[in-house]
Formats: sequence, structure tokens, C-alpha cells
Amino acid sequence: DTAVSQTPKYLVTQMGNDKSIKCEQNLGHDTMYWYKQDSKKFLKIMFSYNNKELIINETVPNRFSPKSPDKAHLNLHINSLELGDSAVYFCASSPGSGYTQYFGPGTRLTVL
Amino acid sequence: GENVEQHPSTLSVQEGDSAVIKCTYSDSASNYFPWYKQELGKGPQLIIDIRSNVGEKKDQRIAVTLNKTAKHFSLHITETQPEDSAVYFCAASRASGGSYIPTFGRGTSLIVHP
Repeated sequence: DTAVSQTPKYLVTQMGNDKSIKCEQNLGHDTMYWYKQDSKKFLKIMFSYNNKELIINETVPNRFSPKSPDKAHLNLHINSLELGDSAVYFCASSPGSGYTQYFGPGTRLTVL
Repeated sequence: GENVEQHPSTLSVQEGDSAVIKCTYSDSASNYFPWYKQELGKGPQLIIDIRSNVGEKKDQRIAVTLNKTAKHFSLHITETQPEDSAVYFCAASRASGGSYIPTFGRGTSLIVHP
């Protein structure tokens, strides 16, 4: 009965590769997000989608492309991975007009 | 844009003591202030929140206060227990396009010694 799930949990890859992280929520929420948490634990929002439509793109390089096939899924595709992309990426969701965000367990991405 | 300062970065207390974490924000448009607890290897989890029309909110051992004029808000944990040990994040949020966009503080690592 996991609320927000992400796959994979760990991702190790070489510089220059393309990778995807998947996120699914079973809460019936309208809004989903992607966050990046760096090595110093700083948590910053990257994207916000409401009903499959992009709302927020917070100064993220265009190598990052979110895709929402339906309201319950928001995947993150990253092209041409760089060393600085190494971080923990969190997916979250919230009711459309609600405040509370529910976070997934995170995906630790390591770029070598 | 919004800027959130959080202090202290590390807080070490004895079991049973109180812990206080303070945050300040810069954008007067922010009107929702959640606090998250992040345990090792897990995602942040909401523990309490407050909206700008309220000055104080309490939930058992946890309380949050908000001073809109001074643009600061604080988390208070009483009777701390070892399981309270975690990283705590404050956030200041504003509405945008049907959702709330938070700016997070840099976190406080709380250590409760048994």
C-alpha cells in the first residue's frame, strides 16, 4: 500500500549516459513534483505537474525532461548525465488544491 | 525569489529536553509553512504545518509558531526521545498555478542522546 513509489532506488551510471527514474502515486493526487537533494542535504524543487501539465520548471537544465503519461505517474528522464547530477532525487505528490506533499523514498543517482 | 534561513544546522540534546529550530523567510507572499522530518535513507515526511492566518499550532509534543510581521517561524519539540533524531526541514510556500511551491531551509540535524 505504498503511497508514492520510485524506481530504481539506486542508479549508478557513467557520464554522458541517458537514464530515467520512474514515479507512481496511488493517492489519487492531481499534482506531482520532482526534487533534487544534493550532498549537503539541500532540497530544491525541479518540476511540478498538475493533471499531467507542467506548472513549474525551476531553472533546471533542459537535459532534464519530465514526462507524465497519466495523473498517477511522473517520470524523469535525464540526458547526457554529468558528475554534478549526482544526488538523491525525490518524487512527491499533493492534492490539487491542497498543501501537504507526500514524498517518495528517493532515488540515489551516482554519475561516475 | 524566496530565501529561507534555518538555524541551527546541528542540535544535540539529552532525552527529555526540549529542542527549538528557527527559520526566517523573505517573501511576504509565502503563506504556508510546513515542517518535514527526514530519517536516514528515507524521504521527507510532513510532521506539522501552519498557515499564515494562524500564530501557533500544536500536535502532542510538537508545536510551531509563526510571526508574519517578523517573517520567522519556529518548531518546538518537547520531551525529546531518541526516535526524534533526524534531519528537520522548514519550508516557506507560495501558491503557483494550482499547487504550492516550497522553498526549503538547509536542514537541522537533531541528535537526541538517551
